Amino acid sequence: SQTIHQWPATLVQPVGSPLSLECTVEGTSNPNLYWYRQAAGRGLQLLFYSVGIGQISSEVPQNLSASRPQDRQFILSSKKLLLSDSGFYLCAWSVQLPGQFFGPGTRLTVL
Amino acid sequence: QKEVEQNSGPLSVPEGAIASLNCTYSDRVSQSFFWYRQYSGKSPELIMSIYSNGDKEDGRFTAQLNKASQYVSLLIRDSQPSDSATYLCAVSNTGGFKTIFGAGTRLFVKA
Repeated sequence: SQTIHQWPATLVQPVGSPLSLECTVEGTSNPNLYWYRQAAGRGLQLLFYSVGIGQISSEVPQNLSASRPQDRQFILSSKKLLLSDSGFYLCAWSVQLPGQFFGPGTRLTVL
Repeated sequence: QKEVEQNSGPLSVPEGAIASLNCTYSDRVSQSFFWYRQYSGKSPELIMSIYSNGDKEDGRFTAQLNKASQYVSLLIRDSQPSDSATYLCAVSNTGGFKTIFGAGTRLFVKA
C-alpha cells in the first residue's frame, strides 16, 4: 500500500531564516505530487504541483520554491521566511482519480 | 476566480441524526468532486468522490451532485460523535491537477 511521509512534524523558525520541508511517497511510481498550505481556519491553498522529476508548476507567486529531485521526493524551500509563511504545510500525492492523499503535515511557526 | 463555497458552521446535530453538508462551485467545467474529512490538527482524509449527477452511497455517507445547479452535498446518516470534524469540499478539472478546496464546514455531533 502507499504511504506518504513528511518531516519535520513541527518547526519554529525566525523571520529571515531558510526553510526546507521534505516529502516522500512509498508504494507507487510516477505520482503527481502537491504542496498545499493551510492557514489557521482557512482552506487549502495549492502552492506547487509536479507531474514528474524536475517538472514543477507554481500556483502562487511568493518566496517559496519547490523541487523534485527524485520520482517520489518533493521538497519545499525558502531562502528567507516571512511571518506570513506560518501555517500547516501539506504534501499530497495522486496517480489517477479519485482524489489526492495527504501526508501528516508540517506545522510551521515563523516568529 | 474559481471558487468553492461552504458554510463554515459550526453545524451541530444530535447523535443518530442526519448531518447535511453543502457546497457550491463556480467553474461549470469541473469534472470531479470530493469530500475530505479533517480532524483538528490532522491532515485531510478523502472520504467520498463523485463524478456524475445523482447520488453515491458508501456506508453511512451519501454524496449528491447536481451539475446544473453547481451543487454538491454530503449526507452523514446515524451521525456519531466520532464524525465531529471539518468537512472540506473539493472540485477538480479534468486532469485533476488543480483541485480547489472550500474552507470547510465544522460539524459537531452531540452525544
